[in-house]
Amino acid sequence: ETGVTQTPRHLVMGMTNKKSLKCEQHLGHNAMYWYKQSAKKPLELMFVYSLEERVENNSVPSRFSPECPNSSHLFLHLHTLQPEDSALYLCASSQTFEGPSYEQYFGPGTRLTVT
Amino acid sequence: GQNIDQPTEMTATEGAIVQINCTYQTSGFNGLFWYQQHAGEAPTFLSYNVLDGLEEKGRFSSFLSRSKGYSYLLLKELQMKDSASYLCAVSDSNYQLIWGAGTKLIIKP
Repeated sequence: ETGVTQTPRHLVMGMTNKKSLKCEQHLGHNAMYWYKQSAKKPLELMFVYSLEERVENNSVPSRFSPECPNSSHLFLHLHTLQPEDSALYLCASSQTFEGPSYEQYFGPGTRLTVT
Repeated sequence: GQNIDQPTEMTATEGAIVQINCTYQTSGFNGLFWYQQHAGEAPTFLSYNVLDGLEEKGRFSSFLSRSKGYSYLLLKELQMKDSASYLCAVSDSNYQLIWGAGTKLIIKP
């Protein structure tokens, strides 16, 4: 138990569906992250929020839309996804964003399958 | 571009020692992290190095040479539960983590 929870753990959706992934951290951290993890590939940073402000958006397609209503919650809204978007989506948090030594704590991930 | 290289897979025997290497080329350097990820689980933090040298933490040690762009994770007295993927990540000049693809470590009895 890392103090970061994600729901749902598994999701199967069609290309025309709209769904949302939820992340919650109970650590009092100020930074939250969304990553995409595909088999045998490095973790891809998608979005970073620091104190509820988006600070990074790494050229992610607009069919992924993040939302951070407060420092404890992070959402990833999904719309019109493609089969190549099937992956494990990981949420993480850290004490701050601009701190070199602050490790990130990860949630268990949502296994997403797009059919 | 920024790049982290680590072996895809390694096999070792229970009770033995294994060294997992990581080389990196990044825009700036603010430290190097090692994470462990068991299959189907979240990555968990193992170590952080920002200065050259060896950091020891129980059975696990991590080494860094900034001039060579090189790090290794040393696991001693291997146990079956050490079977996992080990991820190397470098914090660049913008404090963004650049990740390697991970090394899958298989422990055999």
